[in-house]
Amino acid sequence: GAGVSQSPRYKVAKRGQDVALRCDPISGHVSLFWYQQALGQGPEFLTYFQNEAQLDKSGLPSDRFFAERPEGSVSTLKIQRTQQEDSAVYLCASSLASGFTGELFFGEGSRLTVL
Amino acid sequence: GENVEQHPSTLSVQEGDSAVIKCTYSDSASNYFPWYKQELGKRPQLIIDIRSNVGEKKDQRIAVTLNKTAKHFSLHITETQPEDSAVYFCAASNAGNMLTFGGGTRLMVKP
Repeated sequence: GAGVSQSPRYKVAKRGQDVALRCDPISGHVSLFWYQQALGQGPEFLTYFQNEAQLDKSGLPSDRFFAERPEGSVSTLKIQRTQQEDSAVYLCASSLASGFTGELFFGEGSRLTVL
Repeated sequence: GENVEQHPSTLSVQEGDSAVIKCTYSDSASNYFPWYKQELGKRPQLIIDIRSNVGEKKDQRIAVTLNKTAKHFSLHITETQPEDSAVYFCAASNAGNMLTFGGGTRLMVKP
């Protein structure tokens, strides 16, 4: 596609449910990032993939958060046993090169609301 | 790790006036400083960036300045228009894998 695509755009979960958020990066982009954006805040780094390798997961807030990119393209962010504090917009971004050598292209985000 | 502070959190200007948003960063190894614009409910989009080997960069009505000694950088928008109204985020990276964002500035341009 022409840009980074994320699904679902909106997700409402009951506390304790598991959720899975999908990201389709721009074709050919090596780097993929997940960010969490709370209401009125800047995006906060969660994790980074270079192709299929997860090189940095230092931003994942707990072991309930898990991300994968098994074939170096589509990525899934999974949150187990969701809590109210997980409510946020989850942004995926991709970049042509590895690391931060250029522009990040963001998706529209997945807005998660945990009741 | 890197810490990026952004000020002001909200900024209201009259159409045609200039707007300035300032950011400071903590990691002296940071060398890449992008600015993103995010309209309500939309994705952040890069509007301008600067690398540490230059002190200023301009693109039409938008300019960014960088002071590496003081570890601060600023976004300048001249001749503001209503369509400039959005949230602006600064960010910093040390060429590692993490881009650290500031808290954002909500810019409102009044017609």
